[in-house]
Amino acid sequence: EIVLTQSPATLSLSPGERATLSCRASQSMRGYLAWYQQRPGQVPRLLIFDASNRAPGIPARFSGSGFGTDFTLTISSLEPEDFAIYYCQQRADWPLTFGGGTKVEIK
Amino acid sequence: EVQMVESGGGLVKPGGSLRLSCAASGFTFSSYSFNWVRQAPGKGLEWVSSTTRSDNYRKYLASVDGRFTISRDNAKNAVFLQMTSLRVEDTAIYYCARILNDNNYGSGYYDVWGRGTLVTVSS
Repeated sequence: EIVLTQSPATLSLSPGERATLSCRASQSMRGYLAWYQQRPGQVPRLLIFDASNRAPGIPARFSGSGFGTDFTLTISSLEPEDFAIYYCQQRADWPLTFGGGTKVEIK
Repeated sequence: EVQMVESGGGLVKPGGSLRLSCAASGFTFSSYSFNWVRQAPGKGLEWVSSTTRSDNYRKYLASVDGRFTISRDNAKNAVFLQMTSLRVEDTAIYYCARILNDNNYGSGYYDVWGRGTLVTVSS
């Protein structure tokens, strides 16, 4: 099983700041990683797939990078609606797995 | 409008059974694979099961294999999850999720999610 470890668990930032979230895999996944955003009381929303491709309708301030075992989600300038929990997910191998999440909270 | 609506959740005793349904609309249902993903209260996301476009390849999380069965009916635009021998640790919101860029094995990323149905297993 590929274990995804997200860090930090919580990120405290102010609107307008840059957010950098990490997802590290227990083995190489090539580029088979996605990022999701989940706001309180809402369902997850796909942001990034295949490590660096933005999903339709996702603002350009969201970007993804990485390959192999280390991946990053960057939010260039936080908007109020970006304060949420972010999950990474791999599709490289069964079982499909998610990271434990990073909560981006208002400082 | 593209949407998926789950139903069938509820309160059940340990050892009991439930059948979840997911009704899809607004897109060509038979062109997509679907997964069930769950989220325990206040916890993260966990993949549960996958089925392909033609339902010829199914996969399960190890802890539910042998107890849960995924299926679909392309004529009715619906996906199902039959759950038996339920355990307290199966308590969660169960989401039906559509696969983006399917690799023909039901694996991928989730571009459309239902709002979920809550399953509570408790005595």
